[in-house]
Amino acid sequence: EPEVTQTPSHQVTQMGQEVILRCVPISNHLYFYWYRQILGQKVEFLVSFYNNEISEKSEIFDDQFSVERPDGSNFTLKIRSTKLEDSAMYFCASRLAGVLTDTQYFGPGTRLTVL
Amino acid sequence: GDSVTQMEGPVTLSEEAFLTINCTYTATGYPSLFWYVQYPGEGLQLLLKATKADDKGSNKGFEATYRKETTSFHLEKGSVQVSDSAVYFCALIPRGNNNDMRFGAGTRLTVKP
Repeated sequence: EPEVTQTPSHQVTQMGQEVILRCVPISNHLYFYWYRQILGQKVEFLVSFYNNEISEKSEIFDDQFSVERPDGSNFTLKIRSTKLEDSAMYFCASRLAGVLTDTQYFGPGTRLTVL
Repeated sequence: GDSVTQMEGPVTLSEEAFLTINCTYTATGYPSLFWYVQYPGEGLQLLLKATKADDKGSNKGFEATYRKETTSFHLEKGSVQVSDSAVYFCALIPRGNNNDMRFGAGTRLTVKP
């Protein structure tokens, strides 16, 4: 069964460094998402992406964040200058197009630790 | 805005006990409702879903019924197993907005042999 994959599974970085989290969505999906889960807290929506542009973003998704689909398979989340509070699990998700296909399929997550 | 509220955990049960995890929602329309499960060290897996009132989602012995009158989507299982130990998240997608999935806080379930 096709699945969303994410790399790396765990990333440790110093405060102020840039990180890029990578995701490979399910191949025929057209909508892509990033969520984050701070330890012990709820999963929060960051951004959605469709047709090579951001379709929606939350208040969390400020100028430090950016997303890109650099080729036909990868979907990346970049944090330009990491802060301690960016430490979290980051989940990528994807779904098919169409109003009747709203189920989002999640990857296993990347745990980001900012020191 | 649209949101879900789940019962706080943690929940600890003995094997074969009956499980209920409450979830209620607030929405302006009729959202799609989901339960996701997160096993230790893993990501979010879709457990079941329902897209309209009175729909029942079911999977792996778990069930949840979309109740419009009580705005609820409680998760139930008749006989839990140790392998069901995980964190369970109730979530919704607002009608007309397929992008922003809203999650509850999660309920940690521990099943003891």
